[in-house]
Amino acid sequence: EAGVAQSPRYKIIEKRQSVAFWCNPISGHATLYWYQQILGQGPKLLIQFQNNGVVDDSQLPKDRFSAERLKGVDSTLKIQPAKLEDSAVYLCASRTILRGMNTEAFFGQGTRLTVV
Amino acid sequence: SQQGEEDPQALSIQEGENATMNCSYKTSINNLQWYRQNSGRGLVHLILIRSNEREKHSGRLRVTLDTSKKSSSLLITASRAADTASYFCATDTYNNNDMRFGAGTRLTVKP
Repeated sequence: EAGVAQSPRYKIIEKRQSVAFWCNPISGHATLYWYQQILGQGPKLLIQFQNNGVVDDSQLPKDRFSAERLKGVDSTLKIQPAKLEDSAVYLCASRTILRGMNTEAFFGQGTRLTVV
Repeated sequence: SQQGEEDPQALSIQEGENATMNCSYKTSINNLQWYRQNSGRGLVHLILIRSNEREKHSGRLRVTLDTSKKSSSLLITASRAADTASYFCATDTYNNNDMRFGAGTRLTVKP
């Protein structure tokens, strides 16, 4: 079974530039998450999708961050314009439901963003 | 907002010793998970325990859940240098699967 794929692995941009991250979840996983993990901290949930609908985006800074999951499969997360404090690892995860219960989540390797 | 809080923030032990990490959370949950993260890598799932379960084992790992105290513990027995990593708890709040993480415990196992 292929894992969660993310690209790029690393990105360096200047502040005020824009950047986009891509995630391909495990086939058949309806739930997809984007997390921001700042060095030394735990992952912070940015947005959660169920198929192509947004379940929770309460912690997404909507003035600069946007995300979509067209057709309920791949997802992209965009930052425009980037700030220095956006420097972090952006993690994508997916999971499914079996017999009405949540299962474990699978994470991609993440994209390390550095804003200079 | 973050849901769980791990304790301690950092733990350093010798190889062969046991390591215990704790997680406290704020709201009612459906289940709680523990994940491991090696430096610079993605998170790897360890154990999922449901709200109606009290204890679960997987190899050298033992997880307990006390919903009355809103807390969980992860015990790693006979630790190895390869167990050196950060450990996070994540909770699905009741009627949701929003999977929110705590700040983690940084475990160092010295050979």
